[in-house]
Amino acid sequence: AQSVTQLGSHVSVSEGALVLLRCNYSSSVPPYLFWYVQYPNQGLQLLLKYTTGATLVKGINGFEAEFKKSETSFHLTKPSAHMSDAAEYFCAVSDRGGGFKTIFGAGTRLFVKA
Amino acid sequence: EAGVAQSPRYKIIEKRQSVAFWCNPISGHATLYWYQQILGQGPKLLIQFQNNGVVDDSQLPKDRFSAERLKGVDSTLKIQPAKLEDSAVYLCASSPSSPYEQYFGPGTRLTVT
Repeated sequence: AQSVTQLGSHVSVSEGALVLLRCNYSSSVPPYLFWYVQYPNQGLQLLLKYTTGATLVKGINGFEAEFKKSETSFHLTKPSAHMSDAAEYFCAVSDRGGGFKTIFGAGTRLFVKA
Repeated sequence: EAGVAQSPRYKIIEKRQSVAFWCNPISGHATLYWYQQILGQGPKLLIQFQNNGVVDDSQLPKDRFSAERLKGVDSTLKIQPAKLEDSAVYLCASSPSSPYEQYFGPGTRLTVT
């Protein structure tokens, strides 16, 4: 069965510092992987996705993530945090073994300090 | 392109009352999802439609929750009767086809007192 684990429910960084949000998944077959961002009182917005091909995926707002099959990970990074990056981030997995049902992680809230 | 529309945005009801939420997906999107997002948790899929057919409703509490998608476009999610634990944000999303990325509406925040 699919599952998603996001390490750290809260992450705090200083403005300009590296952002690293961790995501590990379990899946019986190669999955599709997604990162979504949720700002207060809004729905989720897609940041980036991995389906096939290049394992380093670039998304919007300067974010990127790398699919590492051997580590079953899909960590999200951004070289330099901006105040506007403060939000909740969700990792999600979808695979054929689960009928392509999307499973979301519990989320990581990112705080950016001035 | 218009996004996913949901109404109402906020709803407060007493336990044992009924409530309905409405969703209008992005035009042309075949797949529609309803999620329940409890505070501090990730979204949990309640039901997935492909056109007007149900693909997955394994986590829908069918004794109190129901959903329909008329003519493969708009959808309504109903809770009757509501319980305190139903307090959550109900998100609607659509996609051109599963398993592609999903486009989410702003959600309906339900408070059951």
